[in-house]
Amino acid sequence: GENVEQHPSTLSVQEGDSAVIKCTYSDSASNYFPWYKQELGKGPQLIIDIRSNVGEKKDQRIAVTLNKTAKHFSLHITETQPEDSAVYFCAAGGGADGLTFGKGTHLIIQP
Amino acid sequence: DGGITQSPKYLFRKEGQNVTLSCEQNLNHDAMYWYRQDPGQGLRLIYYSQIVNDFQKGDIAEGYSVSREKKESFPLTVTSAQKNPTAFYLCASTRQGALTGELFFGEGSRLTVL
Repeated sequence: GENVEQHPSTLSVQEGDSAVIKCTYSDSASNYFPWYKQELGKGPQLIIDIRSNVGEKKDQRIAVTLNKTAKHFSLHITETQPEDSAVYFCAAGGGADGLTFGKGTHLIIQP
Repeated sequence: DGGITQSPKYLFRKEGQNVTLSCEQNLNHDAMYWYRQDPGQGLRLIYYSQIVNDFQKGDIAEGYSVSREKKESFPLTVTSAQKNPTAFYLCASTRQGALTGELFFGEGSRLTVL
């Protein structure tokens, strides 16, 4: 089955700086790569996703890049703000087995 | 507002007791899911249902049971056979019946076994 590794587990950045979270996956059949944000005590919420026919996707301060050859994808957040503090999960999938999630990155925005 | 409602938010149970977690959605979504979340872990799929009266096991179904008698409802029972039931449980749904596509999550139920 699919195996997703996510790094780092904790990331602390100064407000206004950029943050990058990286994930690798093992199954070359995976074709869907979403990112979820989870605030304390709440359920995760989709913030951006990418499909394997696209290399990069942007939505305001958030972008995701995908390298199918290397089997890795990354989340980029620019001009970080205090409300970006949360746990972020990557996931990979697209076949009959559904999504496999990474273990999460706790992003801390320092004022 | 449409969404997913999970109850109770917090639940305590004694060892050996079964407990049922409620999940209701008014999004008119066909597919519903139950995930388990442990500290420092990703989300692991327990069960999912793509249509009423049908459901499939996920990666960690042992010790759990579900039913899908109505489109809106997908309750999860944590049985006494589940060896380590203390966890945060998340219910989700998707518009289409596929296993990919945007997951809409509830706010979760935290179960603690005393």
